Amino acid sequence: GENVEQHPSTLSVQEGDSAVIKCTYSDSASNYFPWYKQELGKGPQLIIDIRSNVGEKKDQRIAVTLNKTAKHFSLHITETQPEDSAVYFCAASWGGGADGLTFGKGTHLIIQP
Amino acid sequence: DTAVSQTPKYLVTQMGNDKSIKCEQNLGHDTMYWYKQDSKKFLKIMFSYNNKELIINETVPNRFSPKSPDKAHLNLHINSLELGDSAVYFCASSQASGRDSPLHFGNGTRLTVT
Repeated sequence: GENVEQHPSTLSVQEGDSAVIKCTYSDSASNYFPWYKQELGKGPQLIIDIRSNVGEKKDQRIAVTLNKTAKHFSLHITETQPEDSAVYFCAASWGGGADGLTFGKGTHLIIQP
Repeated sequence: DTAVSQTPKYLVTQMGNDKSIKCEQNLGHDTMYWYKQDSKKFLKIMFSYNNKELIINETVPNRFSPKSPDKAHLNLHINSLELGDSAVYFCASSQASGRDSPLHFGNGTRLTVT
């Protein structure tokens, strides 16, 4: 099955600076890579996703890049704000064609005022 | 309107009891899931249902059983609860079965077994 590694586990940045979270995956057949944000007491919420036929995708202050050859993808948040503080999860689709996502272990992003 | 709702939000019970968690989605999605999040925040899929068919069954104990009365509901029944079952359980849904369908999560049920 798929294995997703996520780093770092905790990331503290100053408000206004950029934050980068990195993930690697093992199954070369994976073709869908979403990112989720989980705030305290809530369920994970999709913030951006990328498919394997695209190398980069942007949505305002958030961008995701994908390197299929190296099997890694990254989340970039620019001009960080206090409301960006949360746990972020990367995920990858299974290579076996069945439903479901394999998640990374999460990154606790802390925005320092 | 809440897209994916699950009840109860908190569930405290003793070892050996049987309990259920309910989930409903009003998005018209075809597939529903149950995920378990442990104390270290690790999210792991337990089950998924598509058109009332179980299409994923991860290596979870058979004390856990999903029940789907219709496409909009996927309930989770747990028998003979154990201390290790304490976790947050998330229900989710997606538009269609497939490898690139975004998941929509509920807000979780925190289960505490004493």
